[in-house]
Amino acid sequence: DTAVSQTPKYLVTQMGNDKSIKCEQNLGHDTMYWYKQDSKKFLKIMFSYNNKELIINETVPNRFSPKSPDKAHLNLHINSLELGDSAVYFCASSQVSTNEKLFFGSGTQLSVL
Amino acid sequence: GENVEQHPSTLSVQEGDSAVIKCTYSDSASNYFPWYKQELGKRPQLIIDIRSNVGEKKDQRIAVTLNKTAKHFSLHITETQPEDSAVYFCAASHTNAGKSTFGDGTTLTVKP
Repeated sequence: DTAVSQTPKYLVTQMGNDKSIKCEQNLGHDTMYWYKQDSKKFLKIMFSYNNKELIINETVPNRFSPKSPDKAHLNLHINSLELGDSAVYFCASSQVSTNEKLFFGSGTQLSVL
Repeated sequence: GENVEQHPSTLSVQEGDSAVIKCTYSDSASNYFPWYKQELGKRPQLIIDIRSNVGEKKDQRIAVTLNKTAKHFSLHITETQPEDSAVYFCAASHTNAGKSTFGDGTTLTVKP
């Protein structure tokens, strides 16, 4: 069983469109994240949810809206996509209460044309 | 907030040589320091980690050292092999912080 799964793996869309990425973890972790990896391979945190509550929002434009319906799911909705949003988006999870390692999803390659 | 600096950004070694990647962190409250390996087109995966109550940890060809006073930690890979070629990230976090802060990554190339 895949520990952290995200869909879709590839997303190609036009500027101005709205798109969503879904993520699910079956590890029973208390915290889920969205990280953005740009073309230079830098990994930057976007959001962090602990038991469905938003705890980290790292100066991400309002066009990005995360939603956590339950502890095992964290989705990312992006409105009015821009060229600069092109990147790989990784979902991850961890057990923050014991400060454990991150488990990453396989990533979503978003290309905005 | 936490700031993690990682050096070098690229590293090229001959197969069989050792490779060392260094990171510094700024937040003295950080107590967990993992290292992730990301192969081309794949997700980052943990290869080794160290907690602040330990100075060194080894796992076969990989070792990590931590100097809390100086706020730096290093990854050592001995007897490198072509399959060690990847991007390596260091990170730092503290309990209940809700995030890990990553270094900018090191692209390691092992030439056969």
